[in-house]
Amino acid sequence: AQSVTQPDIHITVSEGASLELRCNYSYGATPYLFWYVQSPGQGLQLLLKYFSGDTLVQGIKGFEAEFKRSQSSFNLRKPSVHWSDAAEYFCAVMERQAGTALIFGKGTTLSVSS
Amino acid sequence: GAGVSQTPSNKVTEKGKYVELRCDPISGHTALYWYRQSLGQGPEFLIYFQGTGAADDSGLPNDRFFAVRPEGSVSTLKIQRTERGDSAVYLCASSPGGGGYTEAFFGQGTRLTVV
Repeated sequence: AQSVTQPDIHITVSEGASLELRCNYSYGATPYLFWYVQSPGQGLQLLLKYFSGDTLVQGIKGFEAEFKRSQSSFNLRKPSVHWSDAAEYFCAVMERQAGTALIFGKGTTLSVSS
Repeated sequence: GAGVSQTPSNKVTEKGKYVELRCDPISGHTALYWYRQSLGQGPEFLIYFQGTGAADDSGLPNDRFFAVRPEGSVSTLKIQRTERGDSAVYLCASSPGGGGYTEAFFGQGTRLTVV
């Protein structure tokens, strides 16, 4: 069955420290890959996406993600976390055809300590 | 408006009642999606519209759930005989549609509480 797994339910990182959020997917073929962020009272916001080409993709707010086909992973990274990064992060996949919906993981809650 | 608008932002209803949740997509967006997000979970796909028609309703959990988009713009998600398990945040997203991938933009959701 197709699935998206985010192994870490909750992560706490010190402000200024680096961050890596894990995402693994199980799909018949490599899907489109996404990371979204959801802050309290805010809608889901797209951080970055991967379709093809360079496996290291840059997104907004200083985030990047690396696609590793051999590991079926698409981990999100940030070199230096800011207190405003505290939020819920969702990895999502979409089949490579028009009109299909996003399938989300269960999310990882990021807390930032000072 | 500038973004996807969902009303009401909060809805409390009694078990067994009927509710309607409204989504006003970004102007000109032909694709519209409904998702349900339960506490501690990621958004779960419910239904996808392309224009006025439901192109994929495979995510609707049962026949108590129904959605319409009669003029290809505003959509209404309707839930009959609500149950406490229906309590969740209902999210709407819209995208320009057409061929290939187009980015979906999400509203802030309607928090439904069934008591």
